[in-house]
Amino acid sequence: QSVLTQPPSVSGAPGQRVTISCTGSSSNIGAGYDVHWYQQLPGTAPKLLIYGNSNRPSGVPDRFSGSKSGTSASLAITGLQAEDEADYYCQSYDSSLSGWGVFGGGTKLTVL
Amino acid sequence: EVQLVQSGAEVKKPGESLKISCKGSGYSFTSYWIGWVRQMPGKGLEWMGIIYPGDSDTRYSPSFQGQVTISADKSISTAYLQWSSLKASDTAMYYCARQVRDGYNPGSGFDYWGQGTLVTVSS
Repeated sequence: QSVLTQPPSVSGAPGQRVTISCTGSSSNIGAGYDVHWYQQLPGTAPKLLIYGNSNRPSGVPDRFSGSKSGTSASLAITGLQAEDEADYYCQSYDSSLSGWGVFGGGTKLTVL
Repeated sequence: EVQLVQSGAEVKKPGESLKISCKGSGYSFTSYWIGWVRQMPGKGLEWMGIIYPGDSDTRYSPSFQGQVTISADKSISTAYLQWSSLKASDTAMYYCARQVRDGYNPGSGFDYWGQGTLVTVSS
């Protein structure tokens, strides 16, 4: 059971907008720690999509955006494309014990 | 160009020890946290721990504390993940990854990833 909760799957048609939620608690997202998002295509290493809640690394299309509020965060993908079909993970940091990183369980995005 | 190059796939027996590596290049190795992430077959990502090679400050997930050891040799820009006694349940892909530079913040995102090292533990 992951510390951060994501929906197991989401889907959308090409061109549509989808959002993926990431729910944490008062010891991680709610404590003010940043949320980061990754895309993982089959058989490849994860790729950073969003860091620091809403920042896009160079090269990531602006179709991808992130937000955070309270104990939750969201990744939004607009203008859905077939190549967006992948697994998406959120990540944050938890202040319990000596501090450690945490991932969400992952969300499979299907482009219909 | 920033690169993280991991050591090759390993096949081991239960009870054996193992040390896998991750060599960084193209950046100041001592100035960025490097983490290790496990992905078991067909499963999600798990944050194992991170190390700051500049001072060897290391943080572990409670799930992995005492199960693995993370270290770094800054003289050769290489981070390591090691086990003293492998179990079949350690079978997984292991990724090293560099964190986005954000001061001394160990909670930043991972911007560069190694290619992964597949560890198979089977009798």
